[in-house]
Amino acid sequence: EAGVTQFPSHSVIEKGQTVTLRCDPISGHDNLYWYRRVMGKEIKFLLHFVKESKQDESGMPNNRFLAERTGGTYSTLKVQPAELEDSGVYFCASSLSWGPEETQYFGPGTRLLVL
Amino acid sequence: AQSVTQLGSHVSVSEGALVLLRCNYSSSVPPYLFWYVQYPNQGLQLLLKYTTGATLVKGINGFEAEFKKSETSFHLTKPSAHMSDAAEYFCAVSRWTGNQFYFGTGTSLTVIP
Repeated sequence: EAGVTQFPSHSVIEKGQTVTLRCDPISGHDNLYWYRRVMGKEIKFLLHFVKESKQDESGMPNNRFLAERTGGTYSTLKVQPAELEDSGVYFCASSLSWGPEETQYFGPGTRLLVL
Repeated sequence: AQSVTQLGSHVSVSEGALVLLRCNYSSSVPPYLFWYVQYPNQGLQLLLKYTTGATLVKGINGFEAEFKKSETSFHLTKPSAHMSDAAEYFCAVSRWTGNQFYFGTGTSLTVIP
């Protein structure tokens, strides 16, 4: 069974540009999460989808970030316009069920560098 | 607010020595506790988790962790380090008030031959 996949693995853009990250969860997983790790700091929650609905987006830093999950399958996270502080590793995770005891399965991350 | 503290951002052990990675959490209610490992260029992989029941939890690759409520700790141990254990380890907690994970800052483990 394929795990969580993310594309691209790396992205280098200039300040002010737009970047779109993609996540494909494990097949059949209704729950999809985005996290971000800024260098040297902890991995922080951004948002949670249940199917195509945003269940919790309390971690989204500002309105330059837009996440979508059309059709409840893959998800995209767009940053527009990108700022220097957006650099970091963006992780996607998925889980079969919703609950704090549920294991979240993580992808390898997208390493974003904004110059 | 939740917080997870991992003491030591870098830990080095000799091959065959005990591995001890520390994790403390702050929570007013018992949390659910997880340890993940990230090998280079891979995603985070679950090592083990504590939800309820036995406080000593065994995971993959010979790792185990013990939930100590009185110490608000969930330290990760392995009796004998192997070269393949070199990776970054993350402690995480979650609660019923929201199913997001709260992570520590991670501990990078180096195994010296």
